[in-house]
Amino acid sequence: NAGVIQTPRHKVTGKGQEATLWCEPISGHSAVFWYRQTIVQGLEFLTYFRNQAPIDDSGMPKERFSAQMPNQSHSTLKIQSTQPQDSAVYLCASSLQGEDEQYFGPGTRLTVL
Amino acid sequence: GDKVKQSPSALSLQEGTNSALRCNFSIAATTVQWFLQNPRGSLINLFYLVPGTKENGRLKSAFDSKESYSTLHIRDAQLEDSGTYFCAAEEGQGGRALIFGTGTTVSVSP
Repeated sequence: NAGVIQTPRHKVTGKGQEATLWCEPISGHSAVFWYRQTIVQGLEFLTYFRNQAPIDDSGMPKERFSAQMPNQSHSTLKIQSTQPQDSAVYLCASSLQGEDEQYFGPGTRLTVL
Repeated sequence: GDKVKQSPSALSLQEGTNSALRCNFSIAATTVQWFLQNPRGSLINLFYLVPGTKENGRLKSAFDSKESYSTLHIRDAQLEDSGTYFCAAEEGQGGRALIFGTGTTVSVSP
């Protein structure tokens, strides 16, 4: 079991560019969560899918951020027109059914210059 | 205010000593997870708790949903226990995002 896979591990973008982050959940897990971690805000929830359907996006910034789960094997988080304040480690987690233990990937460190 | 308050924020231990970390909840926490974030940034699962107690080697954790707190006890601390420990709570039933505490940075020295 490879665990949750996230790519890329590091991404550097210029201000105003687009960034797409990828997450592959553990095989057989039906729930995928996205979080981000910064020094100032700590670990905060962004959005959650179960069986590929969006369940809760209450943590997503209303503008520029979007997430999709086109199939059971991957989810993407897209940030349009990136800003320096978007710099963070973006973490993806999966769980078997959404109401049980979550397992985290290694994260993608996004740096916006 | 903080929904999950974690204390202390930092802890220095000598090898072989014992200590306890605590999380207090101002939400109706139904499950709690404890993680260790290693120097590479990976979150390592330590415990998943519904109300009750679990033990794994030198680590022991408890979650009391009625009193709204959880603890993590480290016994006989070792150098490899160094890192940042996070608790995270799920609020309510039916699958929810985790709400994280601010972490306890533990440094174990010889």
